[in-house]
Amino acid sequence: DQQVKQNSPSLSVQEGRISILNCDYTNSMFDYFLWYKKYPAEGPTFLISISSIKDKNEDGRFTVFLNKSAKHLSLHIVPSQPGDSAVYFCAASAAQISSGSARQLTFGSGTQLTVLP
Amino acid sequence: DAGVIQSPRHEVTEMGQEVTLRCKPISGHNSLFWYRQTMMRGLELLIYFNNNVPIDDSGMPEDRFSAKMPNASFSTLKIQPSEPRDSAVYFCASSTEGRGYGPRGYEQYFGPGTRLTVT
Repeated sequence: DQQVKQNSPSLSVQEGRISILNCDYTNSMFDYFLWYKKYPAEGPTFLISISSIKDKNEDGRFTVFLNKSAKHLSLHIVPSQPGDSAVYFCAASAAQISSGSARQLTFGSGTQLTVLP
Repeated sequence: DAGVIQSPRHEVTEMGQEVTLRCKPISGHNSLFWYRQTMMRGLELLIYFNNNVPIDDSGMPEDRFSAKMPNASFSTLKIQPSEPRDSAVYFCASSTEGRGYGPRGYEQYFGPGTRLTVT
């Protein structure tokens, strides 16, 4: 049972336009959400995150929106650049019940973004 | 600053052989995670440590897999004996709780991964 879903395996956009990547989750205990970017032959790189107490977080060209009632988040990249072409993973985290344990991340399956010059 | 370091970057071995993957987390991070990425299952958590203690190994596929963290700067993931279905990219990640890079420190920072091929 996938708790974090990225239903679009791929997305192509023109350079300079907006890229919108979507993510849905099912576990209402998730209270922290992250986006990672992954280039081939490299590990995932943290991009941006958002706490469930917010509905928007912005960092330069990247903005993450959270709709808790819909259990949906999205990553907007404006303007898109060819260097943004990568696989984007959505991840979610819930507070651990026991103290002394670290938060685990549950990842979506990823969306391959291609920005065309 | 050095990120998470993994070795080897590539490993090709024959079925039945022992494989040991190594990880050095970011200095000061107190949590370490081992992941496996495959086409079929995506990124899945195998095991994680907090302050060198294994907390949750429910993701370890079977007894052939074992992981250790003898100190805060080193961890190993061992597969013995290896099988072709173990072929995947194995990532190590580290994080710090409530301090460090992110606003709440929940971000995990990944190494470059080890691509394992078992023939």
